[in-house]
Amino acid sequence: DGGITQSPKYLFRKEGQNVTLSCEQNLNHDAMYWYRQDPGQGLRLIYYSQIVNDFQKGDIAEGYSVSREKKESFPLTVTSAQKNPTAFYLCASSIPWRLAGERDTQYFGPGTRLTVL
Amino acid sequence: AQKITQTQPGMFVQEKEAVTLDCTYDTSDPSYGLFWYKQPSSGEMIFLIYQGSYDQQNATEGRYSLNFQKARKSANLVISASQLGDSAMYFCAMREGITGNQFYFGTGTSLTVIP
Repeated sequence: DGGITQSPKYLFRKEGQNVTLSCEQNLNHDAMYWYRQDPGQGLRLIYYSQIVNDFQKGDIAEGYSVSREKKESFPLTVTSAQKNPTAFYLCASSIPWRLAGERDTQYFGPGTRLTVL
Repeated sequence: AQKITQTQPGMFVQEKEAVTLDCTYDTSDPSYGLFWYKQPSSGEMIFLIYQGSYDQQNATEGRYSLNFQKARKSANLVISASQLGDSAMYFCAMREGITGNQFYFGTGTSLTVIP
């Protein structure tokens, strides 16, 4: 089955530690995204990548870093510079707009809930 | 300016009744797509329905329909015959042709279905 996997589902870390969230997709999508969601809030874009070895900052990139060495993988590192990292993190992927057509959408992973103690 | 506005933080609906969730959008791009997603308490984002800016007819997917009023820049989601399992957060989103790969999300509406 094609889809997006995120691991782990729950993650606990001590304050000041860097932590990396995994995101893998086998949908052969070029574009991948990371969102942060706080309780009762909408999705805020952290980073997105349109092709391998290229990525752009979203609205709240400070304190986060990403890499895109492979098409299938888009890991997110939450660094110690992120002031309030406790949140729900969602990874997503999509095909390019020009190819999307009437079945356009983003496909989401199940999310990782990060708690910093 | 907000790209997507959802003005209803919370909504209640009686089981088996229909409910409309509001969404307005802001874009100057003639080519765009509009989406609705459902997020149950488990956190997963479930795609519900898509409407393209050039589509002449309102999109429908089972009990979901999208009331697309282009001149008003609104894309309201209509859920017919509500079920208890419809209780969730609902997000409206947009993708513009110009910016291509970036999706813009609203702040969401929490729907509660009352038995």
